[in-house]
Amino acid sequence: EAAVTQSPRNKVAVTGGKVTLSCNQTNNHNNMYWYRQDTGHGLRLIHYSYGAGSTEKGDIPDGYKASRPSQENFSLILELATPSQTSVYFCASGQGAQDTQYFGPGTRLLVL
Amino acid sequence: GDSVTQTEGQVALSEEDFLTIHCNYSASGYPTLFWYVQYPGEGPQLLFRASRDKEKGSSRGFEATYDKGTTSFHLRKASVQESDSAVYYCALRAYGSSGNKLIFGIGTLLSVKP
Repeated sequence: EAAVTQSPRNKVAVTGGKVTLSCNQTNNHNNMYWYRQDTGHGLRLIHYSYGAGSTEKGDIPDGYKASRPSQENFSLILELATPSQTSVYFCASGQGAQDTQYFGPGTRLLVL
Repeated sequence: GDSVTQTEGQVALSEEDFLTIHCNYSASGYPTLFWYVQYPGEGPQLLFRASRDKEKGSSRGFEATYDKGTTSFHLRKASVQESDSAVYYCALRAYGSSGNKLIFGIGTLLSVKP
């Protein structure tokens, strides 16, 4: 079974600060995804990647950057955090035509 | 654009009750449809999927049938248990979508009382 881990699990940041959320997967999947989860909105795609060195914009990319330095690692970067980015962030990985996405446990981010 | 609509934001049931969570979608062609379940403190996990008209997906006593005519994929379970309490997400992957992206509904919080 795919293993996706995220760090940190909880983060408190100040407005205007830089935040980096990290994701690691050990199943050698090509595709990785970053979502945010908010009540009333469900899961919304921020950025995704086809493989090392690639990043693509999802449905709500504004205010976020992504980095995929290797097959295993995919980071989400908030250069200037704002309170509206307070949310729970999930990373996922997947591969193949059926592309079941395997999710990490989530990172709870609070921006004050 | 493609979308998924879940009409129930919250559902409260007692054990052994029958469950229906409605999911309707809007997409061209034949999208693949999914149900994911998220238990407290965890990430979502796949419950099951279906990719063609009239196909039934099922797992752990839950089932849903792909209906292209009504553009629906309603989740049902005959007798819920307290351990089924979780958030349920309906999702679709559009045919030929770039990066195999998923579009999720808003989620339905199921609470089951013993």
